[in-house]
Amino acid sequence: GNSVTQMEGPVTLSEEAFLTINCTYTATGYPSLFWYVQYPGEGLQLLLKATKADDKGSNKGFEATYRKETTSFHLEKGSVQVSDSAVYFCATQTQGGSEKLVFGKGTKLTVNP
Amino acid sequence: GAGVSQTPSNKVTEKGKYVELRCDPISGHTALYWYRQSLGQGPEFLIYFQGTGAADDSGLPNDRFFAVRPEGSVSTLKIQRTERGDSAVYLCASSWGLAGTDTQYFGPGTRLTVL
Repeated sequence: GNSVTQMEGPVTLSEEAFLTINCTYTATGYPSLFWYVQYPGEGLQLLLKATKADDKGSNKGFEATYRKETTSFHLEKGSVQVSDSAVYFCATQTQGGSEKLVFGKGTKLTVNP
Repeated sequence: GAGVSQTPSNKVTEKGKYVELRCDPISGHTALYWYRQSLGQGPEFLIYFQGTGAADDSGLPNDRFFAVRPEGSVSTLKIQRTERGDSAVYLCASSWGLAGTDTQYFGPGTRLTVL
């Protein structure tokens, strides 16, 4: 089945620093790829997604490109803010059948002022 | 509009007791998912409903876990003879049920603690 390997955290950055959180996946076929974010005390929210190779998902200054050749979907942001402090989860979606999500373990990001 | 809601937000129970966790999906969403998130881990799939039927229950850990969705809307996850290892946050998600690029919307979760 599908699996996701995500960069271990925690990650601590200063405000305005560049962020990369690595994510690689294994899957059969061409799964959709997602980044979800969990802010302190809140539920999981979809941050961005990409549904086919070379697609770029973007939202709130975050970007990730679906790279089939390297089976990766790394999350990047050019200048992080304190409000970006959260746990970030990479996920793949199985195709056909249940379309369930398979998540990585999550990466906790703390941004200091 | 209203998002996915889950009740209770917290549940503390004793080992061996029975618990029910409720999920109210977004109105009109035909697909409903249950996931379990242990501390420091990503959510893990438990069961998927399309309408009233459990289309995929491959993630249920054992026969102490059961879920229903009798009218195709609200779902209840039921855990019998709870064990300390069942302690986790139980997440519910719903979607339109469209194949391919469907987005799942998550509820805030129910934190279950088994003493």
